[in-house]
Amino acid sequence: GQQLNQSPQSMFIQEGEDVSMNCTSSSIFNTWLWYKQDPGEGPVLLIALYKAGELTSNGRLTAQFGITRKDSFLNISASIPSDVGIYFCAGRSPIQGAQKLVFGQGTRLTINP
Amino acid sequence: DADVTQTPRNRITKTGKRIMLECSQTKGHDRMYWYRQDPGLGLRLIYYSFDVKDINKGEISDGYSVSRQAQAKFSLSLESAIPNQTALYFCATSDLTGQGDADTQYFGPGTRLTVL
Repeated sequence: GQQLNQSPQSMFIQEGEDVSMNCTSSSIFNTWLWYKQDPGEGPVLLIALYKAGELTSNGRLTAQFGITRKDSFLNISASIPSDVGIYFCAGRSPIQGAQKLVFGQGTRLTINP
Repeated sequence: DADVTQTPRNRITKTGKRIMLECSQTKGHDRMYWYRQDPGLGLRLIYYSFDVKDINKGEISDGYSVSRQAQAKFSLSLESAIPNQTALYFCATSDLTGQGDADTQYFGPGTRLTVL
């Protein structure tokens, strides 16, 4: 089935550092979504991208829909302790239609104060 | 109050038992989903429903069944639980946002199921 490769799998950074993570696919997607999951909770939507090349910000978070439609990245600027969690990308393939999202494996972010 | 709720939040059961996980939503969305989360594997789709009585298999439906008797409720059943069904289970809802095929999903808090 359709798969997304998300990297890195984990990150250990100092508070205040910028963070960058990305997702790639071997085929095109027509929607990219970025979620964050806190321990013991469900994923919460951070940013949604609907057009190739689109760059969208949400506070200190910025995400882009790659021009080739096969990738997306998420940046977090000036990280703070509450940024800790697991970040998931998700994409919707035009081949599979609008029914389903495909999720990346997640990036676990740990911040040292 | 949360828009998407799941019950129970935690459940420990034994091999061979029948288990039902419930999901309720107050968002008024037509579409509902059940996912399973395992460490290192992200979220995998079990079943989804676009409307009452509409049921569709996802990526890993074997060993599971679902019921959508009302717009606001979507239940997941394990007819005979086995240890490799130990996982976190998430319900999600969505509705068309009007952006082409875009379909943003909103997740419940999850149910941690342990099968001994």
